[in-house]
Amino acid sequence: AQSVAQPEDQVNVAEGNPLTVKCTYSVSGNPYLFWYVQYPNRGLQFLLKYITGDNLVKGSYGFEAEFNKSQTSFHLKKPSALVSDSALYFCAYGGAGSYQLTFGKGTKLSVIP
Amino acid sequence: EAGVAQSPRYKIIEKRQSVAFWCNPISGHATLYWYQQILGQGPKLLIQFQNNGVVDDSQLPKDRFSAERLKGVDSTLKIQPAKLEDSAVYLCASSLDSDPAYEQYFGPGTRLTVT
Repeated sequence: AQSVAQPEDQVNVAEGNPLTVKCTYSVSGNPYLFWYVQYPNRGLQFLLKYITGDNLVKGSYGFEAEFNKSQTSFHLKKPSALVSDSALYFCAYGGAGSYQLTFGKGTKLSVIP
Repeated sequence: EAGVAQSPRYKIIEKRQSVAFWCNPISGHATLYWYQQILGQGPKLLIQFQNNGVVDDSQLPKDRFSAERLKGVDSTLKIQPAKLEDSAVYLCASSLDSDPAYEQYFGPGTRLTVT
């Protein structure tokens, strides 16, 4: 079955340190890959997407992600974490023959002051 | 630009009762989605509309859930009768078109508790 996986339920990082939130995909064809963020009691907000072209994608709030076809990964990164980055992060895929957007289970990021 | 609006924000009902949620998408967005997000999980698509037609409702429990998007703008999602396992956050989202390359914009959600 086609899916995305977020192997870590929680990631803790100190403020100012680089952060990485991992996502791998198991999708045939050429999927579209997305990252969304969810703050408490709020809906999801779009961060960035990979459709085609440059493997390094830059998004909102200083986040970026690298599409790696050989490792089937799309990890989210930020050079210097802020306390305000603490939230729930979801990786998702779309396309590849489907109109749906299918989400991973989410990773809780905690940035410690 | 106004975002996706949803109401109510919170709802508590007893099992076997009915409930309805309302969504107003971003102006000009042709595609509207309803998702169910159970605590600790990612959102799961229930139904997708393109204008006022259904694109995908394969994961909608049609024995108890129904949705409509009259006039291709606002949408309502109804549950009748509710079960305990329906306790979740119901998210509405919209996008410019049904091409999955378009990002989706989400409303704040309705948190449903079934007791």
